[in-house]
Amino acid sequence: DQQVKQNSPSLSVQEGRISILNCDYTNSMFDYFLWYKKYPAEGPTFLISISSIKDKNEDGRFTVFLNKSAKHLSLHIVPSQPGDSAVYFCAASPYNNNDMRFGAGTRLTVKP
Amino acid sequence: ETGVTQSPTHLIKTRGQQVTLRCSSQSGHNTVSWYQQALGQGPQFIFQYYREEENGRGNFPPRFSGLQFPNYSSELNVNALELDDSALYLCASSVATQSLSGNTIYFGEGSWLTVV
Repeated sequence: DQQVKQNSPSLSVQEGRISILNCDYTNSMFDYFLWYKKYPAEGPTFLISISSIKDKNEDGRFTVFLNKSAKHLSLHIVPSQPGDSAVYFCAASPYNNNDMRFGAGTRLTVKP
Repeated sequence: ETGVTQSPTHLIKTRGQQVTLRCSSQSGHNTVSWYQQALGQGPQFIFQYYREEENGRGNFPPRFSGLQFPNYSSELNVNALELDDSALYLCASSVATQSLSGNTIYFGEGSWLTVV
């Protein structure tokens, strides 16, 4: 059962533009949402998170938006840089539960 | 650098054999989770250990087992290896808290297992 879905396997944007990565989930028990970035031959690296009590969390160039009614979250990267090129995973878990569920990932390519 | 280290980084096993993968968690982290990531997929939760006991399990058969030691390091054991077990195995550590901010897990670089 795929409780977290990333429907776009890949995304290509121009350097300096906005990258928007989307994620949908089905389990209404999810309370905590995260984005991870993964380079080849490395483990996923934590990027940013948001709890269900918020609808937006910002950290530098990265902003995560949560729409609980639509069970949808998105990651905005502004401005995009070539070093942002990686696979981005959306993850979700119930509150205080490390049973985290991941999407299949979106490969972002930022072109110079 | 997350402070989570895994060994070995790569290994090849024959179908039917057994394998043990090891993980040292980040300092101060008392919870360890293991994930399997097949090519083209996101990490799939195998199980989690807290205070040396299994504390949650995903949809994996009993031949996937684990241990957590008093120093919070952990092992993942897989018996009777099958070809489909070929994947990247990720260890992640975290701190079990009651914080409203939730539990962020930090991954190691993984162990690549190839079953032939």
